[in-house]
Amino acid sequence: AQSVTQLGSHVSVSEGALVLLRCNYSSSVPPYLFWYVQYPNQGLQLLLKYTTGATLVKGINGFEAEFKKSETSFHLTKPSAHMSDAAEYFCAVRNNNNDMRFGAGTRLTVKP
Amino acid sequence: KAGVTQTPRYLIKTRGQQVTLSCSPISGHRSVSWYQQTPGQGLQFLFEYFSETQRNKGNFPGRFSGRQFSNSRSEMNVSTLELGDSALYLCASSQGQPEEKLFFGSGTQLSVL
Repeated sequence: AQSVTQLGSHVSVSEGALVLLRCNYSSSVPPYLFWYVQYPNQGLQLLLKYTTGATLVKGINGFEAEFKKSETSFHLTKPSAHMSDAAEYFCAVRNNNNDMRFGAGTRLTVKP
Repeated sequence: KAGVTQTPRYLIKTRGQQVTLSCSPISGHRSVSWYQQTPGQGLQFLFEYFSETQRNKGNFPGRFSGRQFSNSRSEMNVSTLELGDSALYLCASSQGQPEEKLFFGSGTQLSVL
């Protein structure tokens, strides 16, 4: 069965600093990979996804992630954090059977 | 297009009772998935329905069940509630292909006293 590990349940950065949220996955087949964001009292919304092709994927709000098969990683980055980026971020993996699993989440805090 | 709608938004039950949660997917979506969200545990996958058939299932006890109707609306039932069932239950819909994103509802917050 596939699984997702997000390193760091809480990450705190200063406004304007680099954001790096780590995600490692296990899957027996080439996976589809996703990052979702959850703002307080809301459902999840998609930030970006990797299906096939270019391994560097750009998403909304300036976020991007790189699929590294050799490292089984899909880390999320943003060059410069904004106060509005404060939220919980979830990495997810899905296989061809449509079985989708999420990580435990990383809460991002942005300090002024 | 209306989003994914979950009802009720909040629910308070006592141990031993049962509860039914409802999810109306985006029009045209045939896949509905259910997740349990608790602090520190992230989203735990319950099950996924596609065209009225359960296609995938997570590792939850048989007290958790679901179904999907011909109009793609889905219900989730939890019987003999336990304190540990207190959580935010999220429903998500899609057209059912693995490369597609999921559209999430705002969830039902269940409190078991």
